[in-house]
Amino acid sequence: GAGVSQTPSNKVTEKGKYVELRCDPISGHTALYWYRQSLGQGPEFLIYFQGTGAADDSGLPNDRFFAVRPEGSVSTLKIQRTERGDSAVYLCASSLIGSNNEQFFGPGTRLTVL
Amino acid sequence: AQKITQTQPGMFVQEKEAVTLDCTYDTSDQSYGLFWYKQPSSGEMIFLIYQGSYDEQNATEGRYSLNFQKARKSANLVISASQLGDSAMYFCAMRGGLAGNNRKLIWGLGTSLAVNP
Repeated sequence: GAGVSQTPSNKVTEKGKYVELRCDPISGHTALYWYRQSLGQGPEFLIYFQGTGAADDSGLPNDRFFAVRPEGSVSTLKIQRTERGDSAVYLCASSLIGSNNEQFFGPGTRLTVL
Repeated sequence: AQKITQTQPGMFVQEKEAVTLDCTYDTSDQSYGLFWYKQPSSGEMIFLIYQGSYDEQNATEGRYSLNFQKARKSANLVISASQLGDSAMYFCAMRGGLAGNNRKLIWGLGTSLAVNP
């Protein structure tokens, strides 16, 4: 497929566990973004990659959250010692670099922490 | 700080009629971009339309148009000839400081639109 893909689509885990969420962007898109959307809210920015490097990680809520993009394509969002408050839909988006280039979103990963 | 405000939690419109979804923003940046996205019940965010702060004309994309009033800091979305498939959440978002690495989008709370047959 040509769109952004995310796996898994759903993840249920227990409090305190470690989880990894994967994002596969559109081929050729050098910019990749992670957002978190809680129920009834708009998305909240987490981190932005330009190529392999994190150009802006100001939205990561604390040091339990970490993301990588080692080859400038696929990205993994890692959450350590999950808490119930981490439950949300995690959205990944990718775009070309440019002032008005829209971000194309994946279907999201619904994370539930019990 | 940048902020997006969408004051309409829910809106109803009759099929084939036009509807306006409100969005106001706050920013100290001189250059910025405004986006509208649609989120159906399936959850995926779908890009609709973009307006740059220096664009002199209002953006249009098919049945979507953006009523951009810079002095009032508003960027309302107008959907003409509503269709049943337009029923969804609609989000207004802003990207500020178009130079440099500021590429994150700041989002409003959204407006839920229901199109009645």
